[in-house]
Amino acid sequence: EVQLVESGEGLVQPGSSMKLSCVASGFTFSNYGMNWIRQAPKKGLEWIALIYYDSSSKYYADSVKGRFTISRDNSKNTLYLEMNSLRSEDTAMYYCAKFPFDYWGQGVMVTVSS
Amino acid sequence: DVVMTQTPPSLSVAIGQSVSISCKSSQSLVYSDGKTYLHWLLQSPGQSPKLLIYQVSNLGSGVPDRFSGTGSQKDFTLKISRVEAEDLGVYYCVQATHFPLTFGSGTKLEIK
Repeated sequence: EVQLVESGEGLVQPGSSMKLSCVASGFTFSNYGMNWIRQAPKKGLEWIALIYYDSSSKYYADSVKGRFTISRDNSKNTLYLEMNSLRSEDTAMYYCAKFPFDYWGQGVMVTVSS
Repeated sequence: DVVMTQTPPSLSVAIGQSVSISCKSSQSLVYSDGKTYLHWLLQSPGQSPKLLIYQVSNLGSGVPDRFSGTGSQKDFTLKISRVEAEDLGVYYCVQATHFPLTFGSGTKLEIK
């Protein structure tokens, strides 16, 4: 059974940093691209980053480019999202999803507020 | 960026009826490999999204064949035949042909 389990949720102040993790199981993690997608409260889905299966390419939404970094450790079946210079508008549920969106984690809530 | 325009924003249907949701893109979604990376997702209340249809018309794993997808280039449709109570939620189209990947704004399906 495919599982994606995110962790790292919490409340942080504007300008601070946070790192999310997503542990994968039930499929060969190192063979697939992975995404981070977020959903602000009561809003729609927003894709924010993708990393190729071998980390050779990474893509970002303009809203997070230069502040967020996607990475992965295939030896640990783990996907990461390092978030810096957090803003109130980054408050959202963050999901990891296997490409092409066929499996999703349960999501973790990130709240940026003073 | 590719803009994905989904209509209608909401629907209210009776059990057993059929319904269609439209998704139009601002650019062709045909990739250089000839494939079209347009997918449909359902987010049931309080749940993570689930893949229904991938590459326009292919059923996701475990998805009932009451769901079907059609379309090409810039114009796509999701059809649900014989709506059931479990189909309620928000439906999203998403394109994965061009970066940044972009989602439609969603269509909320309610059951009468």
